[in-house]
Amino acid sequence: NAGVTQTPKFQVLKTGQSMTLQCAQDMNHNSMYWYRQDPGMGLRLIYYSASEGTTDKGEVPNGYNVSRLNKREFSLRLESAAPSQTSVYFCASSEAGRTRFPLHFGNGTRLTVT
Amino acid sequence: AQKITQTQPGMFVQEKEAVTLDCTYDTSDPSYGLFWYKQPSSGEMIFLIYQGSYDQQNATEGRYSLNFQKARKSANLVISASQLGDSAMYFCAMREGLSNFGNEKLTFGTGTRLTIIP
Repeated sequence: NAGVTQTPKFQVLKTGQSMTLQCAQDMNHNSMYWYRQDPGMGLRLIYYSASEGTTDKGEVPNGYNVSRLNKREFSLRLESAAPSQTSVYFCASSEAGRTRFPLHFGNGTRLTVT
Repeated sequence: AQKITQTQPGMFVQEKEAVTLDCTYDTSDPSYGLFWYKQPSSGEMIFLIYQGSYDQQNATEGRYSLNFQKARKSANLVISASQLGDSAMYFCAMREGLSNFGNEKLTFGTGTRLTIIP
């Protein structure tokens, strides 16, 4: 069971370039999330999708767009990368409907914008 | 205001000792859940333990237990008999109640880096 799979693992972009981070889960979860992790700031929510067909902004959505392609896949797009978007990006998924369901995380994408 | 506060940026603990990692939270929702995650140097996020606001007993999972003090809004993680493999970042997180369906997100603290000394 793969769980949550993120691609790519590493990426280097120049300022202004665009890219899409891919995420897929095979646990039949309704909810999916994108977080970014920066030193000293913990994990901050960028966007989430409570169920297929819906997406909502999190704490730090500026500069990002998302697509919930189907129940399995949730992608994150940087249209014009900036050095401030250098970070580690985590995708996660969980069952919906009860507070106690934990998030299951992918292994992260380390993005550097020069 | 911070919803999750972890006041210990780093801790050093002797192997085999018990360690307590602090977490305080802020919510006005009566229904919420608290989670602890471990992030080793390899980077993955590992779920450790969960405590619900209505749970009558403190949660335990093996060597992990949660010291839940609802009135003080604290949910400290206790690791008994620490091991070298416990060296990692530890994050406390909260999911507030599902009074509006779709409020599914977890809010994380800034983490505590735990180092176990042999």
